[in-house]
Amino acid sequence: AQSVTQPDIHITVSEGASLELRCNYSYGATPYLFWYVQSPGQGLQLLLKYFSGDTLVQGIKGFEAEFKRSQSSFNLRKPSVHWSDAAEYFCAVGASNFGNEKLTFGTGTRLTIIP
Amino acid sequence: NAGVMQNPRHLVRRRGQEARLRCSPMKGHSHVYWYRQLPEEGLKFMVYLQKENIIDESGMPKERFSAEFPKEGPSILRIQQVVRGDSAAYFCASSPPRREAHNEQFFGPGTRLTVL
Repeated sequence: AQSVTQPDIHITVSEGASLELRCNYSYGATPYLFWYVQSPGQGLQLLLKYFSGDTLVQGIKGFEAEFKRSQSSFNLRKPSVHWSDAAEYFCAVGASNFGNEKLTFGTGTRLTIIP
Repeated sequence: NAGVMQNPRHLVRRRGQEARLRCSPMKGHSHVYWYRQLPEEGLKFMVYLQKENIIDESGMPKERFSAEFPKEGPSILRIQQVVRGDSAAYFCASSPPRREAHNEQFFGPGTRLTVL
């Protein structure tokens, strides 16, 4: 069974500073990996995804993530955060085998931006 | 192309009543998933359906919860005899067939259920 760990419950960064949100997964084969963002009271918006190929993936809103198989990680990064990036961020893993289509989510990291 | 639609957005029920949550997938999507988000937690998978079939219900509570995705109309998540612990946000997601999607799922805005 797959699992996801987001070790940071809450992160505070200054506007304009760089950001890295950590995500570690557990899955026996090559996973499908996702980062979603959730604003308060809203649904989830997909930021980026990894299926195969280039391990550095680019997403929307200036975000990127790097898949590191040796570390079982898929950390999310942004070089310069904006106040509008304040939200909850969820990492998720999907299985690559047929018959197991569910996504398993981490518990999320809440991002606060200070001026 | 409209996204995933859920209604109602907010639902208040008293203990013992029934809650019905509806989900209309994106056009062309034949796979629907339901997730539950308890306060201060991540999303937990409940059930995966295709038209007229339940594919995976490994995350559904054994009692009081049921889901369907009929040939016509939206998917329905039904909670009978609600209890306070059912208060949560319920999200629906949809996807096109697997070989196109690689598990990518598109989420609706959620239904926030409050049980008094």
